[in-house]
Amino acid sequence: DGGITQSPKYLFRKEGQNVTLSCEQNLNHDAMYWYRQDPGQGLRLIYYSQIVNDFQKGDIAEGYSVSREKKESFPLTVTSAQKNPTAFYLCASSIPRAGNTEAFFGQGTRLTVV
Amino acid sequence: AQSVSQHNHHVILSEAASLELGCNYSYGGTVNLFWYVQYPGQHLQLLLKYFSGDPLVKGIKGFEAEFIKSKFSFNLRKPSVQWSDTAEYFCAVTMYSSASKIIFGSGTRLSIRP
Repeated sequence: DGGITQSPKYLFRKEGQNVTLSCEQNLNHDAMYWYRQDPGQGLRLIYYSQIVNDFQKGDIAEGYSVSREKKESFPLTVTSAQKNPTAFYLCASSIPRAGNTEAFFGQGTRLTVV
Repeated sequence: AQSVSQHNHHVILSEAASLELGCNYSYGGTVNLFWYVQYPGQHLQLLLKYFSGDPLVKGIKGFEAEFIKSKFSFNLRKPSVQWSDTAEYFCAVTMYSSASKIIFGSGTRLSIRP
């Protein structure tokens, strides 16, 4: 089945530790995205990547880092510099053609930092 | 910066009531518009989309939305809601000039009383 896989579903980390969230897609999509979902704030864009080896900051990139070494994979690292990392993180992918940018989403990773 | 506004944060309706959820965006150029839905415990999924042509678009489960360019709006409607429509609804926009970047609104939580 084609789709987007995020792992793990739940993640717990101690404050001050970096943590990496995995996102893999087998849809052959060029673009991939990371969003953060908080109650009442909707989805806020952290980073996005249009092609391999290229990525752009979104609206809330501070304290996060990404890489895009393979088309299928777009891992997100939440660093210790992120002041409020506890949140629900969503990965998505799309074919970024003008006129056809429907995004497909993974199930999300809930990160809790204690 | 481009943005999407959803003014209704939480809407509560009885079954069979009519629904209209507001969405406004700020961008003067050509846009693609989307409504996504997140049912409890499920992935975000596409409800409907507008790319061009008829400004009244129909989606799944009896939903429709109207693009009014002069008002920068893309309101979601359903003539008669069901209990199963209980979910969170997100409006999203991409700019034709930057098809990769997808901006979401803050979401509207819809609760339907049986």
